Amino acid sequence: ETGVTQSPTHLIKTRGQQVTLRCSSQSGHNTVSWYQQALGQGPQFIFQYYREEENGRGNFPPRFSGLQFPNYSSELNVNALELDDSALYLCASSLERQGSGNTIYFGEGSWLTVV
Amino acid sequence: DAKTTQPPSMDCAEGRAANLPCNHSTISGNEYVYWYRQIHSQGPQYIIHGLKNNETNEMASLIITEDRKSSTLILPHATLRDTAVYYCIVRRSYNAGNMLTFGGGTRLMVKP
Repeated sequence: ETGVTQSPTHLIKTRGQQVTLRCSSQSGHNTVSWYQQALGQGPQFIFQYYREEENGRGNFPPRFSGLQFPNYSSELNVNALELDDSALYLCASSLERQGSGNTIYFGEGSWLTVV
Repeated sequence: DAKTTQPPSMDCAEGRAANLPCNHSTISGNEYVYWYRQIHSQGPQYIIHGLKNNETNEMASLIITEDRKSSTLILPHATLRDTAVYYCIVRRSYNAGNMLTFGGGTRLMVKP
C-alpha cells in the first residue's frame, strides 16, 4: 500500500467529451504529479503540482490541466478527448526534501478508454 | 536527467537471485539511481534508490559501481510474483519534484 488512491479505476468516455480523474496523496506529501501510460509503453510525465501551483510540465497540450487542493489531493482534467487519450493515468506523490532523494509513490491508476 | 540503458528482457529461475543491470554512463554527481517495477496493469512500485553507496532494503539490493556509470538491482531469491517490468531511472537530488523519465525497462520473467 502506497497511500496514494485514485478514482475511478475504470471509465469509458466518448471522443470530444471531458473527463476528471481524482487522486488522494499520501498524508503529508506536498508534491503530486500525473503520468499517462499508453498500452505497452512506459509512463510519460504530464505535469506536477507543488503547493497548489503547477511547477513542471511534460510534452502535453493545454487541454490537459490539473488542480491541487490544500489537503494535497489533486485532479487531472482532460478536455476534448481524443481516441489516443486512451491510457492508464497514474498519480504520484512525494514529500519534496532536498539532499535525500525523495521517494515517489504511485497509485494504481485510472484506466480511461475513449471510444 | 541522464538516460539509462537496460536489456529488454531477462529470465530467472524461481528461488535464484535475479541480477538486473543498468547503464547510466552520463550520470552526473547530483543524480540518484532509482528502481521501480510495474506488475501488469498496476501502478509502478518503488523498490530502492541510491547515490553512490550500495543500498539494501527488504525488497532488494542496489549495487552502484565506483564510477557510478552502471548499477545492478539484485532480487536475492526471486519468486513468481517478482515477474514484472523493472525500470532504472536517474534523476537529480534537488528540485526534481516528481518527474521521472521512464525508459523501456527490463521485462523479468521468473520461471518455476
